Amino acid sequence: EIVLTQSPGTLSLSPGERATLSCRASQSVSSSYLAWYQQRPGKAPRLLIYGASNRVTGIPDRFSGSGSGTDFTLTISRLEPEDFAVYYCQQYGSSPLYTFGQGTKLEIK
Amino acid sequence: QLQLQESGPGLVKPSETLSLTCSVSGGSLSSGNHYWAWVRQPPGKGLEWIGNIYYDGSIYYNPSLKSRVTISVDTSRNQFSLKLRSVTAADTADYYCANSRVTAIWYFDYWGQGTRVAVSS
Repeated sequence: EIVLTQSPGTLSLSPGERATLSCRASQSVSSSYLAWYQQRPGKAPRLLIYGASNRVTGIPDRFSGSGSGTDFTLTISRLEPEDFAVYYCQQYGSSPLYTFGQGTKLEIK
Repeated sequence: QLQLQESGPGLVKPSETLSLTCSVSGGSLSSGNHYWAWVRQPPGKGLEWIGNIYYDGSIYYNPSLKSRVTISVDTSRNQFSLKLRSVTAADTADYYCANSRVTAIWYFDYWGQGTRVAVSS
C-alpha cells in the first residue's frame, strides 16, 4: 500500500500570504495519478488539481500543483478567506486503488 | 453536470448492516462513461475509499473492507448502493458517493453532499 504523508498537519497563515502544502508518497506515484482536493467544513471534498499539476476548470489560478515521484506540492499563491479549509492529496494505482493523505488544515492566523 | 445524492438511515445498531443509496441525476449510470464510488470519512479524520462499481457490475473493493462490503448498481433507477455488514462504532462516518470518468478513473470528479451514519445501540 502506498502511504501518502501530508505536511504540515496544520498551517496557520494570513489572507494574502502564500501557502505551500506537501504530500510525500512512500513509493513513487505516477504524476498522472496524483490529485488534490479541498474540503470546507461540513462539505464534500472538491477536486482542485489532477495529474499533479492540472487545474480543474473553474478553480482559480492562484492554485497550482507540482511534483513528481514521491514529492508533490500544492501551492496557493495569495490566500483568500475562502481558501481556509482542509486539503487532501490522493493517489491511484496501488492496492487499495485509491489512498488519501491525512490532510493539511489551512487555518487563519 | 452530474449530481449525486446519498440517502439512508442515519443510525445503525452494532452488528447490523449499513445500507446507503446514491441517486444520480444529470447523467445515466448505464452510459458507461463513469465509475461510481463510495468514500467515507470518520468524524474529524481523513478519507477512505470503500469501493468502485461500473455499470456492467465490475467491482473493486478496498481490501480492508472487502469481506464486509457489497456495492451494487440499479441502472433502471439510476442508483447505486452500499451495504456494509457487521458494523461497529468504527464504521461511524460521513459516507460520500462519488464518480470517476472512465477516461480518468484516477480521481473523483463529482461528490455527493455526504450522509452521516452513526453506529450505536
